[in-house]
Amino acid sequence: QVQLQESGPGLVKPSETLSLTCTVSGGSVSSGSYYWSWIRQPPGKGLEWIGYISYIGTTNYNPSLPSLKSRVTISLDTSRNQFSLKLSSVTAADTAVYYCARAIGSSWHFGFWGRGTLVTVSS
Amino acid sequence: EIVLTQSPGTLSLSPGEGATLSCRASQSVSSSYLTWYQQKPGQAPRLLIYGASSRATGIPDRFSGSGSGTDFTLTISRLEPEDFAVYYCQQFGSSLQYTFGQGTKLEIK
Repeated sequence: QVQLQESGPGLVKPSETLSLTCTVSGGSVSSGSYYWSWIRQPPGKGLEWIGYISYIGTTNYNPSLPSLKSRVTISLDTSRNQFSLKLSSVTAADTAVYYCARAIGSSWHFGFWGRGTLVTVSS
Repeated sequence: EIVLTQSPGTLSLSPGEGATLSCRASQSVSSSYLTWYQQKPGQAPRLLIYGASSRATGIPDRFSGSGSGTDFTLTISRLEPEDFAVYYCQQFGSSLQYTFGQGTKLEIK
């Protein structure tokens, strides 16, 4: 059974960079046809897809969030079986629960999710 | 960008009743890539239905999905106390982008 676990600081200061890591167990991040996403949920609001990285390292970010797309980097660390999110120049609007999740390229639904981690942007 | 609009925003029902949740897309969506999730407070979303009508592993058969094109429905035939939660539809499109609906809150009447 695949398990995903987010980790990183719970508090980030405005204008700084938010950095989160998702550690995958029970499966390899470099296995064929898997796509590893970051999704966030502001307090009391809905789900917002940030982007994904494929098992071979290609990335795709949400173009409907232009203010986010220019600040996001998702990367893969196959040696540690992890993938990461970096979001630069954060503001209070980036306060959210951040989830990592896995999809299979043939069906594209998120079958496995991490528990989520709350990141608060505040000075 | 494909926009998914879910209705109603909140649905108040009693255990034992049936529930019908709607997800309407701003343009046609492939049924293969229309998904429903359930989210309870403090928890990650849980996969319910994928491919518009296929139940995920372990999902009771009181949950069913249907629809095509721009109109999709999640039906819960007999509500159990544990079914009261927020439900999201999600699509993955030809532009290789995901979008989520805004959610329907199913609350106990």
